[in-house]
This record gives sequence, C-alpha cells and structure tokens, in this order.
Amino acid sequence: NAGVTQTPKFQVLKTGQSMTLQCAQDMNHNSMYWYRQDPGMGLRLIYYSASEGTTDKGEVPNGYNVSRLNKREFSLRLESAAPSQTSVYFCASSGGERGVYEQYFGPGTRLTVT
Amino acid sequence: GQSLEQPSEVTAVEGAIVQINCTYQTSGFYGLSWYQQHDGGAPTFLSYNALDGLEETGRFSSFLSRSDSYGYLLLQELQMKDSASYFCAVRDQGGTYKYIFGTGTRLKVLA
Repeated sequence: NAGVTQTPKFQVLKTGQSMTLQCAQDMNHNSMYWYRQDPGMGLRLIYYSASEGTTDKGEVPNGYNVSRLNKREFSLRLESAAPSQTSVYFCASSGGERGVYEQYFGPGTRLTVT
Repeated sequence: GQSLEQPSEVTAVEGAIVQINCTYQTSGFYGLSWYQQHDGGAPTFLSYNALDGLEETGRFSSFLSRSDSYGYLLLQELQMKDSASYFCAVRDQGGTYKYIFGTGTRLKVLA
C-alpha cells in the first residue's frame, strides 16, 4: 500500500517550457487535490477533484490545468512555466470517514523555473 | 474572506508541554484539522475537531472553541522528533472540498 505517489520528485524548467506532474493514490479515495507550498508558507489549493470526472479551481489556479484521468490518477499541467511557479507541489487525497478534513499527502515535487 | 492565524514560531525544551494556537475567521465553520510537516517532508494528518472540546491522540491533543473561533494543538512530553511545522486548516466556505491552511507554526524542541 504505497498511499499517494508523485512523479517526478525534482524538476528544473526554463521559462516557457511545459510539464505535467503525475499523482496516483491506491487508497480508493474519491477526492484528490493539488497544492503548492512556497518557502515558509502554508499550502495553497490549486485545483481539486471531488470525484472521478469532476475538477474545480482552488485558490490559485492561474497558469495550471488538471486532468482526473481515473479514480486513481490526478495530473497537474503547467503549459508555460514562469519563475513565479517555482514551488513545492503536493498532491493529496481524501475519502475516509473524516472526508476532506483528513487528507493524505504525497512526497511532493520540487520545481524550479529559471 | 476566510483567514487562519498561527504564531510563526514556538520554542520549548524536551519533556515540556507546548500549545500551538489557531484563530480563524470564517463565515461558516465545519471543523478544524491539524497537520505536522517535517522539513523537506509532506504534511501528515494529526487531528480533527468538529465540535467543541478536547480530542486526545496519544501525546497530542487538539481543542476547539467554536464560540471563540479558536483552537489549539497541545503537545505533551515533547521529544526532539516533534521539531516540525504545524498547520491548522479549515474548509473554505466556497465549497465542500476547498481547504485553507494557516501559514504554520515552526516548533523547535531544545535538548
């Protein structure tokens, strides 16, 4: 039982390049989330997927797109990376009895945009 | 809008008890969660309070007072491994699955 996995762990991009961050969970959770965390800050919600087939914007969606590929997988795409998107990106899922209030996080992707 | 306030840093010695406070402003309240995050690691869930009172999980307890829009995390018998950042979080009024985190409290445990 791996929980939530993310790839890649590290990535360096040049301004204007695109990339997709992958996330998968094996806990049969319905809901999945993408957050970014800037140094010394809390987590900010980028997009979420309440259930398979649905996605919605969070607090900071500009510059990102998402795809809920199936129940297990939720990807985050940067179409044209900017230095302001340098951050640590965490994927999370929820689906237990506490619902959204108990989220399980992946190990994160450390992205640098130069 | 909604906001969460936490102290930025707390320092305590090994074996002591420490309390990390969280005050929130929300138009609707659905519960307060706490997460721990070690440097370079991912957040991990610690506790959740939906109703007023104390929830205890081993050395960690969490308290909520909805009338005061206030909660705290209590860590007892502090250990060096408790040095980490601690975040409170609430559900956003804008949607069931929108979740807002505080900016976090960095706890330093001294030997």
